[in-house]
Amino acid sequence: ETGVTQTPRHLVMGMTNKKSLKCEQHLGHNAMYWYKQSAKKPLELMFVYNFKEQTENNSVPSRFSPECPNSSHLFLHLHTLQPEDSALYLCASSQDLGGQGNEQFFGPGTRLTVL
Amino acid sequence: GQNIDQPTEMTATEGAIVQINCTYQTSGFNGLFWYQQHAGEAPTFLSYNVLDGLEEKGRFSSFLSRSKGYSYLLLKELQMKDSASYLCAVSDGNYQLIWGAGTKLIIKP
Repeated sequence: ETGVTQTPRHLVMGMTNKKSLKCEQHLGHNAMYWYKQSAKKPLELMFVYNFKEQTENNSVPSRFSPECPNSSHLFLHLHTLQPEDSALYLCASSQDLGGQGNEQFFGPGTRLTVL
Repeated sequence: GQNIDQPTEMTATEGAIVQINCTYQTSGFNGLFWYQQHAGEAPTFLSYNVLDGLEEKGRFSSFLSRSKGYSYLLLKELQMKDSASYLCAVSDGNYQLIWGAGTKLIIKP
């Protein structure tokens, strides 16, 4: 248990569906992240929120839409996804952005399959 | 561009020592992290280096040379449970983490 939870753990959706991924952290951290992890590729940073404000959007397609209602919760809304979006989606949090003392704590991930 | 390189896969024997290398080229540097990721699980933090030299933490040690853009993770007295992927990540000048693709470590009896 890292103090970061994600639901659902597994999700299968069609290309026309709309679904949401949820992340919650119980660590009192100020920064939260969404990552995409595909086989044999580096972790791809998608979005960063710091004190509920989005600080990074790494050229992510608009079919992925993040929401951060408060510093403990992070959502990723999905719509009209493509099969190549199938991957493990990881949420992480850290005390603040950056270096020492700000190691990221990861949730267990959502395994997404787009049919 | 920013780049992190580490070997794709390594094999070692239980009880032995293994060194996993990581080289990086980033715009700015605010430290280097090593994470461990078991199959089907989330990455977990192992170590952080921001100054040159060796940091030891039990069976695991991590080394950094900023002038060479180089780090390694040293695992001693290998156990079967050490079979996992090891991810190298650098915090760049904007405090963004740039990730390597990970090194899959296979431990054989």
